[in-house]
Amino acid sequence: EAGVTQFPSHSVIEKGQTVTLRCDPISGHDNLYWYRRVMGKEIKFLLHFVKESKQDESGMPNNRFLAERTGGTYSTLKVQPAELEDSGVYFCASSQDRNNEQFFGPGTRLTVL
Amino acid sequence: LAKTTQPISMDSYEGQEVNITCSHNNIATNDYITWYQQFPSQGPRFIIQGYKTKVTNEVASLFIPADRKSSTLSLPRVSLSDTAVYYCLVGALTYNTDKLIFGTGTRLQVFP
Repeated sequence: EAGVTQFPSHSVIEKGQTVTLRCDPISGHDNLYWYRRVMGKEIKFLLHFVKESKQDESGMPNNRFLAERTGGTYSTLKVQPAELEDSGVYFCASSQDRNNEQFFGPGTRLTVL
Repeated sequence: LAKTTQPISMDSYEGQEVNITCSHNNIATNDYITWYQQFPSQGPRFIIQGYKTKVTNEVASLFIPADRKSSTLSLPRVSLSDTAVYYCLVGALTYNTDKLIFGTGTRLQVFP
Protein backbone atom coordinates (compact mmCIF):
# COMPACT_ATOMS: atom_id res chain seq x y z
CA GLU A 1 0.00 0.00 0.00
CA ALA A 2 1.41 3.36 -1.03
CA GLY A 3 1.99 5.85 1.76
CA VAL A 4 1.30 9.55 1.83
CA THR A 5 3.16 11.30 -0.95
CA GLN A 6 4.04 14.96 -1.27
CA PHE A 7 5.21 17.01 -4.20
CA PRO A 8 7.62 18.64 -4.64
CA SER A 9 10.17 17.40 -2.15
CA HIS A 10 11.97 20.74 -2.31
CA SER A 11 10.98 24.16 -3.55
CA VAL A 12 13.08 27.30 -3.67
CA ILE A 13 11.28 30.50 -4.56
CA GLU A 14 11.76 34.21 -4.15
CA LYS A 15 9.80 36.37 -1.80
CA GLY A 16 6.55 37.45 -3.39
CA GLN A 17 6.21 34.41 -5.62
CA THR A 18 3.53 31.77 -5.40
CA VAL A 19 4.07 28.13 -4.54
CA THR A 20 1.64 25.24 -4.52
CA LEU A 21 2.33 22.12 -2.52
CA ARG A 22 0.51 18.90 -3.21
CA CYS A 23 -0.36 16.00 -0.96
CA ASP A 24 -1.76 12.63 -1.96
CA PRO A 25 -3.11 10.80 1.07
CA ILE A 26 -3.36 7.07 1.50
CA SER A 27 -6.22 5.81 -0.64
CA GLY A 28 -9.44 5.65 1.32
CA HIS A 29 -8.33 8.03 4.07
CA ASP A 30 -11.00 10.64 4.59
CA ASN A 31 -8.93 12.68 7.04
CA LEU A 32 -6.12 14.83 5.69
CA TYR A 33 -3.96 17.18 7.73
CA TRP A 34 -1.34 19.79 6.99
CA TYR A 35 1.43 20.64 9.43
CA ARG A 36 4.61 22.65 9.14
CA ARG A 37 7.87 23.17 10.94
CA VAL A 38 9.50 26.53 10.47
CA MET A 39 13.15 27.05 11.36
CA GLY A 40 13.95 26.19 14.96
CA LYS A 41 10.34 25.69 15.93
CA GLU A 42 8.11 22.74 16.66
CA ILE A 43 5.84 20.99 14.21
CA LYS A 44 2.62 22.97 14.11
CA PHE A 45 -0.84 21.99 12.94
CA LEU A 46 -2.27 24.01 10.05
CA LEU A 47 -5.59 22.44 9.12
CA HIS A 48 -7.68 19.31 8.88
CA PHE A 49 -9.92 18.11 6.06
CA VAL A 50 -12.61 15.50 6.35
CA LYS A 51 -13.16 14.50 2.76
CA GLU A 52 -13.46 17.81 0.94
CA SER A 53 -14.59 19.85 3.94
CA LYS A 54 -12.36 21.89 6.19
CA GLN A 55 -12.95 20.53 9.68
CA ASP A 56 -10.46 22.73 11.48
CA GLU A 57 -8.32 25.49 10.00
CA SER A 58 -7.37 27.12 13.26
CA GLY A 59 -3.65 26.72 12.56
CA MET A 60 -3.56 28.56 9.23
CA PRO A 61 -1.23 31.51 9.86
CA ASN A 62 -2.87 34.09 7.60
CA ASN A 63 -4.81 34.60 4.41
CA ARG A 64 -1.75 34.10 2.24
CA PHE A 65 -2.29 30.39 2.77
CA LEU A 66 -5.05 28.57 0.89
CA ALA A 67 -5.72 24.87 1.20
CA GLU A 68 -8.07 22.91 -0.99
CA ARG A 69 -9.17 19.34 -1.32
CA THR A 70 -11.55 19.26 -4.25
CA GLY A 71 -13.17 15.87 -4.67
CA GLY A 72 -11.89 14.72 -1.32
CA THR A 73 -8.78 13.05 -2.68
CA TYR A 74 -5.51 14.97 -2.98
CA SER A 75 -4.98 18.34 -1.39
CA THR A 76 -3.05 21.44 -2.33
CA LEU A 77 -1.63 24.15 -0.14
CA LYS A 78 -0.93 27.41 -1.90
CA VAL A 79 1.17 30.19 -0.46
CA GLN A 80 0.62 33.52 -2.22
CA PRO A 81 2.63 35.67 -1.92
CA ALA A 82 5.36 33.81 -0.12
CA GLU A 83 7.31 35.57 2.63
CA LEU A 84 10.69 34.75 4.14
CA GLU A 85 9.11 33.44 7.33
CA ASP A 86 7.19 30.81 5.37
CA SER A 87 10.39 28.82 4.89
CA GLY A 88 10.25 25.44 6.53
CA VAL A 89 9.08 21.89 6.04
CA TYR A 90 5.43 21.29 5.25
CA PHE A 91 4.05 17.90 6.21
CA CYS A 92 0.87 16.26 5.12
CA ALA A 93 -0.74 13.40 7.03
CA SER A 94 -3.81 11.27 6.57
CA SER A 95 -5.84 8.90 8.67
CA GLN A 96 -8.74 6.58 8.12
CA ASP A 97 -10.27 6.78 11.55
CA ARG A 98 -10.44 9.64 13.97
CA ASN A 99 -7.71 8.52 16.27
CA ASN A 100 -4.20 9.61 17.01
CA GLU A 101 -2.51 7.43 14.36
CA GLN A 102 -1.83 9.72 11.47
CA PHE A 103 0.36 8.70 8.57
CA PHE A 104 2.76 11.39 7.52
CA GLY A 105 4.34 12.10 4.18
CA PRO A 106 8.03 12.93 3.80
CA GLY A 107 7.37 16.65 3.72
CA THR A 108 8.10 19.46 1.30
CA ARG A 109 11.02 21.68 2.18
CA LEU A 110 10.16 25.23 1.18
CA THR A 111 12.84 27.89 1.01
CA VAL A 112 11.84 31.48 0.39
CA LEU A 113 14.72 33.75 -0.60
CA LEU B 1 -4.35 20.13 25.32
CA ALA B 2 -1.94 18.97 28.01
CA LYS B 3 1.61 20.28 27.78
CA THR B 4 4.36 17.70 27.74
CA THR B 5 7.95 17.84 28.97
CA GLN B 6 10.62 15.41 27.85
CA PRO B 7 14.43 15.41 27.76
CA ILE B 8 15.92 17.24 24.83
CA SER B 9 18.39 14.50 24.03
CA MET B 10 19.59 11.07 25.09
CA ASP B 11 22.54 8.90 24.11
CA SER B 12 22.67 5.13 24.11
CA TYR B 13 24.63 2.23 22.69
CA GLU B 14 23.50 -0.59 20.49
CA GLY B 15 21.84 -3.42 22.35
CA GLN B 16 20.80 -1.32 25.34
CA GLU B 17 17.28 -0.64 26.50
CA VAL B 18 16.27 2.99 26.26
CA ASN B 19 13.59 4.57 28.40
CA ILE B 20 12.30 8.03 27.56
CA THR B 21 10.08 9.62 30.14
CA CYS B 22 7.52 12.29 29.40
CA SER B 23 5.79 14.47 31.99
CA HIS B 24 2.22 15.60 31.44
CA ASN B 25 1.02 16.89 34.80
CA ASN B 26 -2.14 18.48 33.42
CA ILE B 27 -3.42 15.45 31.54
CA ALA B 28 -7.19 15.35 31.32
CA THR B 29 -9.42 12.39 32.01
CA ASN B 30 -10.14 11.70 28.36
CA ASP B 31 -6.60 12.29 27.08
CA TYR B 32 -4.60 9.54 25.43
CA ILE B 33 -0.79 9.37 25.35
CA THR B 34 0.77 8.86 21.96
CA TRP B 35 4.39 8.58 20.83
CA TYR B 36 5.75 9.35 17.42
CA GLN B 37 9.19 8.75 15.93
CA GLN B 38 10.82 10.93 13.30
CA PHE B 39 13.88 10.13 11.23
CA PRO B 40 15.80 12.87 9.41
CA SER B 41 14.13 14.00 6.21
CA GLN B 42 10.99 12.01 6.97
CA GLY B 43 7.64 12.74 8.50
CA PRO B 44 6.76 11.56 12.00
CA ARG B 45 5.66 7.95 12.38
CA PHE B 46 3.22 6.61 14.95
CA ILE B 47 4.84 4.22 17.42
CA ILE B 48 2.43 3.49 20.23
CA GLN B 49 -0.57 4.83 22.10
CA GLY B 50 -2.01 4.13 25.51
CA TYR B 51 -4.41 5.36 28.15
CA LYS B 52 -3.24 3.62 31.32
CA THR B 53 -1.04 0.80 32.65
CA LYS B 54 1.11 -0.86 30.01
CA VAL B 55 0.88 -1.21 26.27
CA THR B 56 3.27 -3.26 24.18
CA ASN B 57 3.64 -3.75 20.47
CA GLU B 58 6.34 -5.08 18.16
CA VAL B 59 8.28 -1.83 18.37
CA ALA B 60 8.06 -0.53 21.92
CA SER B 61 6.36 -0.59 25.29
CA LEU B 62 4.56 2.26 26.95
CA PHE B 63 4.32 2.43 30.72
CA ILE B 64 1.75 4.71 32.31
CA PRO B 65 1.47 4.98 36.10
CA ALA B 66 -1.87 5.16 37.86
CA ASP B 67 -1.88 8.94 38.16
CA ARG B 68 -1.11 9.27 34.42
CA LYS B 69 0.99 12.37 35.02
CA SER B 70 3.91 10.82 33.21
CA SER B 71 4.63 8.04 30.76
CA THR B 72 7.72 6.12 29.70
CA LEU B 73 8.48 4.88 26.23
CA SER B 74 10.71 1.82 26.37
CA LEU B 75 12.73 0.69 23.36
CA PRO B 76 14.26 -2.76 23.91
CA ARG B 77 17.75 -3.42 22.57
CA VAL B 78 18.15 -0.36 20.39
CA SER B 79 20.11 -0.41 17.16
CA LEU B 80 21.72 2.36 15.13
CA SER B 81 18.53 2.65 13.11
CA ASP B 82 16.63 3.77 16.21
CA THR B 83 18.48 7.08 16.11
CA ALA B 84 15.65 9.55 15.72
CA VAL B 85 13.55 12.17 17.46
CA TYR B 86 10.81 10.81 19.69
CA TYR B 87 7.74 12.89 20.43
CA CYS B 88 5.33 12.43 23.31
CA LEU B 89 1.85 13.79 22.58
CA VAL B 90 -1.14 14.03 24.86
CA GLY B 91 -4.63 14.76 23.71
CA ALA B 92 -8.15 13.54 23.28
CA LEU B 93 -10.35 13.04 20.34
CA THR B 94 -12.91 15.74 20.05
CA TYR B 95 -15.79 16.07 17.70
CA ASN B 96 -14.22 19.00 15.95
CA THR B 97 -10.63 18.01 15.41
CA ASP B 98 -7.93 15.51 16.23
CA LYS B 99 -4.93 17.67 15.46
CA LEU B 100 -1.65 16.56 16.91
CA ILE B 101 0.34 18.96 19.06
CA PHE B 102 4.05 18.30 18.97
CA GLY B 103 6.56 19.42 21.55
CA THR B 104 10.30 19.63 21.11
CA GLY B 105 10.80 15.87 21.27
CA THR B 106 13.76 13.83 22.51
CA ARG B 107 16.65 13.36 20.15
CA LEU B 108 17.97 9.83 20.68
CA GLN B 109 21.44 9.07 19.39
CA VAL B 110 22.50 5.42 19.33
CA PHE B 111 26.21 4.70 19.12
CA PRO B 112 27.88 1.47 17.98
